[in-house]
Amino acid sequence: DAGVIQSPRHEVTEMGQEVTLRCKPISGHDYLFWYRQTMMRGLELLIYFNNNVPIDDSGMPEDRFSAKMPNASFSTLKIQPSEPRDSAVYFCASSLGQGQGYEQYFGPGTRLTVT
Amino acid sequence: DQQVKQNSPSLSVQEGRISILNCDYTNSMFDYFLWYKKYPAEGPTFLISISSIKDKNEDGRFTVFLNKSAKHLSLHIVPSQPGDSAVYFCAASSNYGGSQGNLIFGKGTKLSVKP
Repeated sequence: DAGVIQSPRHEVTEMGQEVTLRCKPISGHDYLFWYRQTMMRGLELLIYFNNNVPIDDSGMPEDRFSAKMPNASFSTLKIQPSEPRDSAVYFCASSLGQGQGYEQYFGPGTRLTVT
Repeated sequence: DQQVKQNSPSLSVQEGRISILNCDYTNSMFDYFLWYKKYPAEGPTFLISISSIKDKNEDGRFTVFLNKSAKHLSLHIVPSQPGDSAVYFCAASSNYGGSQGNLIFGKGTKLSVKP
């Protein structure tokens, strides 16, 4: 398997623009996670899905952020409108299950820069 | 407030010597702990884990120690190799409560192993 695939790898956009990040989880994994990494806050969970259904979105910073998983092999994280403070590396991860013994596999991340 | 803390942002060790990375946590409900390793431009990869019913878990050159009374865990790498140079993230999860199974990450420690 190719692992978790994320696109684009780098995104530079201007404040106010819409940004869409994409993720393809490992085939057969029922859980998909979106994380954000910043210097100030480290690696923090934004939202996760189980069988394409959003389970916990308490980490989504505000209404400008939304995530969807229309099918088992694709998820998007959208920021509209984007702001400079959204600049970060966004990771997608997938796993077979949740909790002890279930390893999360991370994608390479998307580095977002909002100017 | 950070529930998982890695107080050393960086650590430099000579090749062949022992590397000790430390992690403290505040939530006594955490019952599963993990270490992830991250190279530049890649996503974190799972390294080793430990359940709260154990105080030590070993996998080759990597050993994780858990001290529940002190709410402290450490990762030992012996002997350290230049290829171990990476950022190491400590993570914790709980099987209880509303965030059941969610991984809470520390901010990471950058390990540099000098030849």
